[in-house]
Order: sequence, then C-alpha cells, then structure tokens
Amino acid sequence: KQEVTQIPAALSVPEGENLVLNCSFTDSAIYNLQWFRQDPGKGLTSLLLIQSSQREQTSGRLNASLDKSSGRSTLYIAASQPGDSATYLCAVTDSWGKLQFGAGTQVVVTP
Amino acid sequence: SQTIHQWPATLVQPVGSPLSLECTVEGTSNPNLYWYRQAAGRGLQLLFYSVGIGQISSEVPQNLSASRPQDRQFILSSKKLLLSDSGFYLCAWEGQTNYGYTFGSGTRLTVV
Repeated sequence: KQEVTQIPAALSVPEGENLVLNCSFTDSAIYNLQWFRQDPGKGLTSLLLIQSSQREQTSGRLNASLDKSSGRSTLYIAASQPGDSATYLCAVTDSWGKLQFGAGTQVVVTP
Repeated sequence: SQTIHQWPATLVQPVGSPLSLECTVEGTSNPNLYWYRQAAGRGLQLLFYSVGIGQISSEVPQNLSASRPQDRQFILSSKKLLLSDSGFYLCAWEGQTNYGYTFGSGTRLTVV
C-alpha cells in the first residue's frame, strides 16, 4: 500500500526566506506527483504536477523536484511572503490510478 | 475553461437526517469524478470515484453513498447522518487519466 509522508508537519519562517517542503512515498510505481495548497476552510489549489518521467517543474517562485527511484519530492518556494502561509499537500497517483495524500505541512511566514 | 462547482459551502444537520451534496463540472466531458473527506486533524480520505454515468466505486464502507446521474454531475448522499460524518467534503475531477486533479471549494458538514 502506498504511503505518503510529509516532513516537517509545521514550519515557520520569516518573510524573505526560502521554503523547503519534503514529501516521500513508499512505492515508486507512480504515474505522477502533485503539490497542492490549502488555505484554512478552503478547497485545494493545484500548484505543480510532475509526471513520473519528469525530474522537476517550475512555476514562478515555485519549483518541485521528483526523484522517483528514491521516493522523494521537494517543493521549493523562493523568497517567501506572508501570503504563502497555508497548508501544502503532496499527493501521488499510485499504480491503481488513485490519488494518495500526505498529511500536509502547515507553513507560517511571519512579516 | 473547466470549472468545478460544489454546494452548499456549509451545512449543519442533525443526527439521523438525510444528506445530499452536489458537485458539477463544466467545460469537459467524461471526467473521472471523486469524493474526498477531510476530517479535523486528519488527511484526505478517498470515499468514492466514478469513471462514467452510473459507475460508482466505493473505497471505504460507511454510512454514505454516491451517484452519477449525468456525465458531469456527482452526488454524495446519506439516508441517516451520524456524528462521525462531520468533516470537510471535497469533490475533484480528472479530465485525462494521470494528468492531475482539480478540486472544488468543498462543503463543511457539521452533524449535531
């Protein structure tokens, strides 16, 4: 059974610092990996999608890497801003085509 | 462009009452549709998914059911709510297999 783990569970940084969020998964047979953002009481907003054949994806200040063989992905957010405060979720589409989520990393960026 | 709608946004229901949450997708055809639940302090749990009209697969046996009466409509129901049904319910669609999921804005259900 695929298990997705996110470390750390919570993170607080001052504005301007770079954020590094980690995601690991136990079964490397994945179709893709997706990073989401969730604001309190809101739905999920897709940030980046990395296909299993890709090593990384970039969008603005966000960069996500994928090392399928070691079962790891990292989301980098450059020059953090208070508006980046949210919970970040990592999810993999497993070999059954199901989306499996990690528990998330709660990020607080202080002004 | 594709959009996904969920309603209502919040709902407070007494124990034993029925439930109907609706999700509709626009701008796409034959999407894969999903219902997830996020309980307080817990991760997202897949409840049901559907690959077509009338086709429903259940991931977790429980007090809920799902139906897909139209291509772009997905409904989550219960005949009698339990306290444990409280949570944040999210609908999602996948337009092309393995090309990422898009989530709705969610329904906050509180069973009292």
